[in-house]
Amino acid sequence: EDKVVQSPLSLVVHEGDTVTLNCSYEVTNFRSLLWYKQEKKAPTFLFMLTSSGIEKKSGRLSSILDKKELFSILNITATQTGDSAVYLCAVHGSGNTGKLIFGQGTTLQVKP
Amino acid sequence: SQTIHQWPATLVQPVGSPLSLECTVEGTSNPNLYWYRQAAGRGLQLLFYSVGIGQISSEVPQNLSASRPQDRQFILSSKKLLLSDSGFYLCASGDHRSYNEQFFGPGTRLTVL
Repeated sequence: EDKVVQSPLSLVVHEGDTVTLNCSYEVTNFRSLLWYKQEKKAPTFLFMLTSSGIEKKSGRLSSILDKKELFSILNITATQTGDSAVYLCAVHGSGNTGKLIFGQGTTLQVKP
Repeated sequence: SQTIHQWPATLVQPVGSPLSLECTVEGTSNPNLYWYRQAAGRGLQLLFYSVGIGQISSEVPQNLSASRPQDRQFILSSKKLLLSDSGFYLCASGDHRSYNEQFFGPGTRLTVL
């Protein structure tokens, strides 16, 4: 059965800290891994990763994929209170239906 | 870019009452459409997906059904709500290059009392 597991489930840090969020997966016919940020409503897209070892970067956020070890990490440097959110990892698996398998999410709280 | 509309934003319904949640998509044609449910503090669970008009696939056995009467319209329904149907319902749209990102609507928070 396809599975995506995120860790930690929750995290509390102070502004300026650096955090690393983890996502491991077991999926038949892996196609891509996606990271989303969810504040109060709809998840918003952050990154899509398809190739191992190539870092995607956007401001203070970066992500990388390891297809051999079947995991990805999302790094946030110099955290701000606005980074407080649930971070979701999802994987596209087999078939052409575009179904995403989501992890449980990591709840990040950044304190001032 | 795509825009996903969902309504209503919040809904409080008694047990045993019917349900109809609507999702419409702008800015794309022939999308794949998805209904997810998110329980408090949990990830997203895929309920239904559709690759075209009238084509619905169910991912989990449940009290809900879905329909796609038009290319960019996706409806989630129930004849009789259960307490366990409470949750946050999200509609998403993706293109047929199946490994790309999905775009999400604002969601409907359903409370069944």
